[in-house]
Amino acid sequence: GENVEQHPSTLSVQEGDSAVIKCTYSDSASNYFPWYKQELGKRPQLIIDIRSNVGEKKDQRIAVTLNKTAKHFSLHITETQPEDSAVYFCAATLTGNQFYFGTGTSLTVIP
Amino acid sequence: GAVVSQHPSRVICKSGTSVKIECRSLDFQATTMFWYRQFPKKSLMLMATSNEGSKATYEQGVEKDKFLINHASLTLSTLTVTSAHPEDSSFYICSASISGFYGYTFGSGTRLTVV
Repeated sequence: GENVEQHPSTLSVQEGDSAVIKCTYSDSASNYFPWYKQELGKRPQLIIDIRSNVGEKKDQRIAVTLNKTAKHFSLHITETQPEDSAVYFCAATLTGNQFYFGTGTSLTVIP
Repeated sequence: GAVVSQHPSRVICKSGTSVKIECRSLDFQATTMFWYRQFPKKSLMLMATSNEGSKATYEQGVEKDKFLINHASLTLSTLTVTSAHPEDSSFYICSASISGFYGYTFGSGTRLTVV
């Protein structure tokens, strides 16, 4: 099955700086890669996603890049704000049905 | 958008008792629902996949007799933690997907504490 690895596990940045979280996947057939943000005790919320036929997608301060050859994708958050502090999960799926999640990154934005 | 309702949000039970957690898709029919367990500051661990009208598929290491899953309709799946013990204390989250749609909606989660 698919195996998704995520790095780093924790990340601290100063407010206004950028944050980058990276994930790798093992199944080259995976074709959909969402990113979720989870605040403490709450459900994961989809923040951005990318399909395998696209190399990059941006939504305001958030962007995701995908390198199919290397089988890795990254989340980029620019101009970080304290409210960006949360745990972020990447995921990969082939079927759009069963998702395989990364191990999570705890992001802390220091005011 | 697709909404998944999960209840209860918090439950405290005595060791040895059973607890049922419900997961409902409110505005769509969920062909498949997933149950996850999450430890503090850890990732989502898939416990089982349930398809409406059929038996759930459990991940390796998950006790079928302890974590009973029922998906009796296209809008409701339940997870029953039987004979709960303190080590079962955790955050349980369900999610639902719609066949043919690359979407994944999470429930709000249930914090289970077994005392």
